[in-house]
Amino acid sequence: DGGITQSPKYLFRKEGQNVTLSCEQNLNHDAMYWYRQDPGQGLRLIYYSQIVNDFQKGDIAEGYSVSREKKESFPLTVTSAQKNPTAFYLCASKTGFSGVQPQHFGDGTRLSIL
Amino acid sequence: AQSVTQPDIHITVSEGASLELRCNYSYGATPYLFWYVQSPGQGLQLLLKYFSGDTLVQGIKGFEAEFKRSQSSFNLRKPSVHWSDAAEYFCAVGAGDTGRRALTFGSGTRLQVQP
Repeated sequence: DGGITQSPKYLFRKEGQNVTLSCEQNLNHDAMYWYRQDPGQGLRLIYYSQIVNDFQKGDIAEGYSVSREKKESFPLTVTSAQKNPTAFYLCASKTGFSGVQPQHFGDGTRLSIL
Repeated sequence: AQSVTQPDIHITVSEGASLELRCNYSYGATPYLFWYVQSPGQGLQLLLKYFSGDTLVQGIKGFEAEFKRSQSSFNLRKPSVHWSDAAEYFCAVGAGDTGRRALTFGSGTRLQVQP
């Protein structure tokens, strides 16, 4: 079955450490997105990518980095510069670039600080 | 820039009762509107979407939503709620251009279902 796979499901970060969250999709979707979810705040866009080797900052990109070397993969690195990384991170993808297309979501990664 | 408001943070209904979750949006042109549902610790599942045509749209799990341009609203409804509907519901608006800015989400409404 096609879908979006996020791993790991739970992740712990030590102070000063960078961690990378994986997102893989086999839907042949063009665009991929990373969102951060905090209680009571809905989803906020971190980064997005419409094509391979290209990505754009979202609303809260500081302290995060991404790469898009393959169409299927869009990993997110939470750097030590992100001072409040504890959150639920969701990866999404969609076909095409039109706003009419819905996004499909993975099951998320919960990141906590040790 | 577009925005979405979900005025109700938390709603409790009895099983079998009807449900309406409110969503108001702000967008200069015709919006693309979506409702998603999220179970605890899970990703978001698309319930339904509106982009043109009939203003009453049907979705999965017996949900429907009505687009009212005059009120800038896209409220989600269900005639009879089941215990399995307990979850968090998000309304979202998509830009009508390239969609590069992804979706703008409301802050969500948590639904609790009483037996």
